[in-house]
Amino acid sequence: DIQMTQSPSSLSASVGDRVTITCRASQSISTYLNWYQQKPGRAPKLLIYAASSLQSGVPSRFSGSGSGSDFTLTVSSLQPEDFATYYCQQTYSTLLTFGGGTKVEIK
Amino acid sequence: EVQLVESGGGLVQPGGSLRLSCAASGFTFSRYWMHWVRQAPGKGLVWVSRINSDGSSTNYADSVKGRFTISRDNAKNTLYLQMNSLRAEDTAVYYCARPEMATSGEWFFQHWGQGTLVTVSS
Repeated sequence: DIQMTQSPSSLSASVGDRVTITCRASQSISTYLNWYQQKPGRAPKLLIYAASSLQSGVPSRFSGSGSGSDFTLTVSSLQPEDFATYYCQQTYSTLLTFGGGTKVEIK
Repeated sequence: EVQLVESGGGLVQPGGSLRLSCAASGFTFSRYWMHWVRQAPGKGLVWVSRINSDGSSTNYADSVKGRFTISRDNAKNTLYLQMNSLRAEDTAVYYCARPEMATSGEWFFQHWGQGTLVTVSS
């Protein structure tokens, strides 16, 4: 199975901060990498697909980059509604896997 | 509007069985592969299983292989997950999800249900 390692597992940030979350795959997954945001009690919401494509309706302060095995999700200016948990997901292999999640908390 | 509505969750004893359903609407269900993803309380997302559009091909996570069976009824627009020999570690919210494919070939989960909670406890 392809392992997805996210870092950090949690972070504290202030409104307006630039935040970067990384995701590393245990093998090359090309650009078969997606990012989701999840708030408590809610289903995950797609933010970024194919490593760098912004899902329709998602604010442009969210961006994704990377290919191969190293990927990054960046929030250029954190807003109050962005405090949530973020997950990466690989869809390269038949057995899909998610990263462990990054909880973004208010400083 | 795409809608996915899970049902069938509840409290079950270890070793017991439960069948989850996911009712789909707003799209041509028979054209799409479908997936189950679960999330234990306070934990991360874990992919469980997938089924192709006509039900002839399935895949499972190692943790559920041999105990869970995914199936679908395209006439009823419904996805199922039969869960047998349940263990405490199967306790989770179970989501069904519909994949989409990018023009470049990568695919992702744009549509998710609201989830149904399964609790395995004596």
